[in-house]
This record gives sequence, C-alpha cells and structure tokens, in this order.
Amino acid sequence: AQSVTQLDSQVPVFEEAPVELRCNYSSSVSVYLFWYVQYPNQGLQLLLKYLSGSTLVKGINGFEAEFNKSQTSFHLRKPSVHISDTAEYFCAVTINAGGTSYGKLTFGQGTILTVHP
Amino acid sequence: DAGVIQSPRHEVTEMGQEVTLRCKPISGHNSLFWYRQTMMRGLELLIYFNNNVPIDDSGMPEDRFSAKMPNASFSTLKIQPSEPRDSAVYFCASSTTSGPPQGYFGPGTRLTVL
Repeated sequence: AQSVTQLDSQVPVFEEAPVELRCNYSSSVSVYLFWYVQYPNQGLQLLLKYLSGSTLVKGINGFEAEFNKSQTSFHLRKPSVHISDTAEYFCAVTINAGGTSYGKLTFGQGTILTVHP
Repeated sequence: DAGVIQSPRHEVTEMGQEVTLRCKPISGHNSLFWYRQTMMRGLELLIYFNNNVPIDDSGMPEDRFSAKMPNASFSTLKIQPSEPRDSAVYFCASSTTSGPPQGYFGPGTRLTVL
C-alpha cells in the first residue's frame, strides 16, 4: 500500500515571497506523483505530475516540483506567490503499473497555503 | 469536453432519508472513482470502477453506502439511510487507462445531513 505525508498542515506566507510545500511518500513499488490544488468551494485541479524522465517538473501557475527518489519526496515550490495562490494543496500518489487499479490515487492530508498582502 | 459532471451540487436532507449522488464521467474514460472529503479524514477513496465493474469498494464506510455504474457514462452513489456523520463533499473523478493516470475531478456534491 502507498501513503502520503504532507508535513505542514498550514503555510502562511507574504505575497511575492517564495514557498515550499513538503510531501513525502511511502511505497514498495514504483509510483507516479501529483500535486492538486483546491480553491474554496471548488473541485481539485491538477497542478503538475511526475510520470518519468526529468525529476524537475513544471506545472501551471508557475509552480514546480522535484522528485527525489532517495528521499521519497516530491516537494512543491513557487519562487514568488500571489494572493490568488491562496488555496489548499494536495499531494497524491498512484502505483506505476497498469491493470484495473490504474489511476487510483492516495492523497495526503493537504496543506493550506495562505498568502498575505 | 464538459469535464466530469456531478449532480446535485448541494444537497440538504434529514437524517434517515435516502440520498443519491450522480456522476457523468468524461466521455471515453473507463475508470471512475468516488471520493469523500471531510475535515477530519481528508480525501478518502470510497469505491472505484473499471469498465463499469466495481474493482475495490473497501473504502465504503458501511452497508448504508452503495454505488452503481450501469453504463460507461453514468454512476450513482447512494446513502440509505443517511446520518449526520455522512455530511461531507463527495467527489467523482474519471480517468483513462490509455492516458496518464491522473484523475479528472468533478466539482463535487456538498451533502449536509441534518
């Protein structure tokens, strides 16, 4: 089974400051990794994903994440945040395999990012 | 494509009533997932289907919950009888085994059981 730990439940930051949201995962098999964003009263939107290849992944809205297999981490970063980035962010994992469980996601508990003016 | 469609968006009901949540996946997607989101437990996978067949329902909390997928374009999640602790946001997501294994999420149904 897989598990995901988001190390910070809340991250307050000032506008234009850099931010890092931390995510660690546990799995006995190879995995795919994702970050989703949820704005208030909305569904989940995919920010970025790591499937294979370069360990630095760029996503929408200026976010990027780095896959570190040795540390089993997939931290999300943005060099300069905006007020509009205020939302909840979820890290998720699924196994790197085909079959009927393809696409079954295990989520972390979420990190609430609050950007202050 | 219109994306994953869920209805209703909001549902308020009284304890003991039957509740039915509906989901239309993205056309061509062959996997469908029902998740529940609460403050206490976060996002939990309840059940998922592949090619309309239930694969794993181990996340369904109890026998009051049931889900069906009669065809590739429609799924229901039913709670009977409903209880206040069922209050949550229920998300439906779909994906395709021929593409990246990411879920495409619907807007969710916010259920309040009084």
